[in-house]
Amino acid sequence: QVQLQESGPGLVTPSQTLSLTCTVSGGSISSGNYYWSWIRQPAGKGLEWIGRMHASGSTDYNPSLQSRVTISLDTSKNQFSLRLSSVTAADTAVYYCARTSLSDSGRWRLFDYWGQGTLATVSS
Amino acid sequence: DIVMTQTPLSLSVTPGQPASIACKSSQSLLHTDGKTYLYWYLQKPGQPPQLLIYQVSNRFSGVPDRFSGSGSGTDFILKISRVEAEDVGVYHCMQGIQLPRTFGPGTKVDV
Repeated sequence: QVQLQESGPGLVTPSQTLSLTCTVSGGSISSGNYYWSWIRQPAGKGLEWIGRMHASGSTDYNPSLQSRVTISLDTSKNQFSLRLSSVTAADTAVYYCARTSLSDSGRWRLFDYWGQGTLATVSS
Repeated sequence: DIVMTQTPLSLSVTPGQPASIACKSSQSLLHTDGKTYLYWYLQKPGQPPQLLIYQVSNRFSGVPDRFSGSGSGTDFILKISRVEAEDVGVYHCMQGIQLPRTFGPGTKVDV
């Protein structure tokens, strides 16, 4: 069973960089059949896709955040990470990591497994 | 960006009764590969979202068959044939045809 677990500081100072890590167990992040994404949800609000990375090294980011976001993979630790720079209070949210997989029938199952989420609060 | 809308935004249902949620996209979700990239998730209270339905009508592993999805192009429906108490939460639709991925506002279902 695939499991994802986010980790990182719960409190970030305004203008600093938010750094989170997602540790994957039960499967290798190196497989070409997966994409690894970050999604966030401010309290009481909807879901916002932040970006994704493939094992090939390709990345895609939400244009609304692109200038501030970096997603990277560490295959030796089976982890992927999110860095969001120049944070403000508007970046306060629960951050989720999630997997996308390709089924045997060739259908993309977007966000089939999620971490439990970690709350990141931006405050001085 | 593709805008996703859902109706209703809130739904109160009686256990054992059916329920349905509509989702509409601002652009067609039909890809040139012939597949339609519409997804449904359920976010139970205090939990992350969980995948229910992928590509309009395919139930994810372990999802009860009381959940079904239908639709095409820009208009989609999630149906619960007989609602159970464990079905409470927020239902989100999402488009997967274009980046950035975008979600609907969510439909809160209580029993």
